[in-house]
Amino acid sequence: AQSVTQLGSHVSVSEGALVLLRCNYSSSVPPYLFWYVQYPNQGLQLLLKYTSAATLVKGINGFEAEFKKSETSFHLTKPSAHMSDAAEYFCAVSGGTGFQKLVFGTGTRLLVSP
Amino acid sequence: DTAVSQTPKYLVTQMGNDKSIKCEQNLGHDTMYWYKQDSKKFLKIMFSYNNKELIINETVPNRFSPKSPDKAHLNLHINSLELGDSAVYFCASSRGLAGVLTTDTQYFGPGTRLTVL
Repeated sequence: AQSVTQLGSHVSVSEGALVLLRCNYSSSVPPYLFWYVQYPNQGLQLLLKYTSAATLVKGINGFEAEFKKSETSFHLTKPSAHMSDAAEYFCAVSGGTGFQKLVFGTGTRLLVSP
Repeated sequence: DTAVSQTPKYLVTQMGNDKSIKCEQNLGHDTMYWYKQDSKKFLKIMFSYNNKELIINETVPNRFSPKSPDKAHLNLHINSLELGDSAVYFCASSRGLAGVLTTDTQYFGPGTRLTVL
């Protein structure tokens, strides 16, 4: 079975500071990994995804994530936080043969202060 | 243009009632999903349909019955609503299915907040 663990239900940063949201995965097959963002009262929007090509993946809004197989991690980073980045972030995993099923982590709320 | 739309956005009802949530996608996708997000924001898949055929059915009470009249629509009907059904329900769609298509992005609707009193 696949799973993801997101460390920290809340992360607080100042505007302009580095954003680091942690995600570790467990998968018995090569995983595909995703980061989604959920703004208040909205649905989820894909930020980026790892599909076994480049290990450093660039996404929208200046976010990127690096797949590290040895650490089973897929942490999300952004060099400089903006107030508009405040949202809930979800890491998800899918993979292997069979039907596409996303397994989500419990989410990390990013708080950005002026 | 709204890619994945859901109606209603909010639904407040009494225990024991039956209610439906509708979902439509205009992306031409073959696969649609229902997810449940609980009060702690945990998201879990409930069902998935591909071209009107049920392909994923997680451990969901049989009070929940999805129906797909065509590949652009996936509705969720809930019988005998219980307090524990209160949650936000998200519909999603993706282009395809298994194998090389498992990297397909899932596009989510805005959610339906169901409150059972």
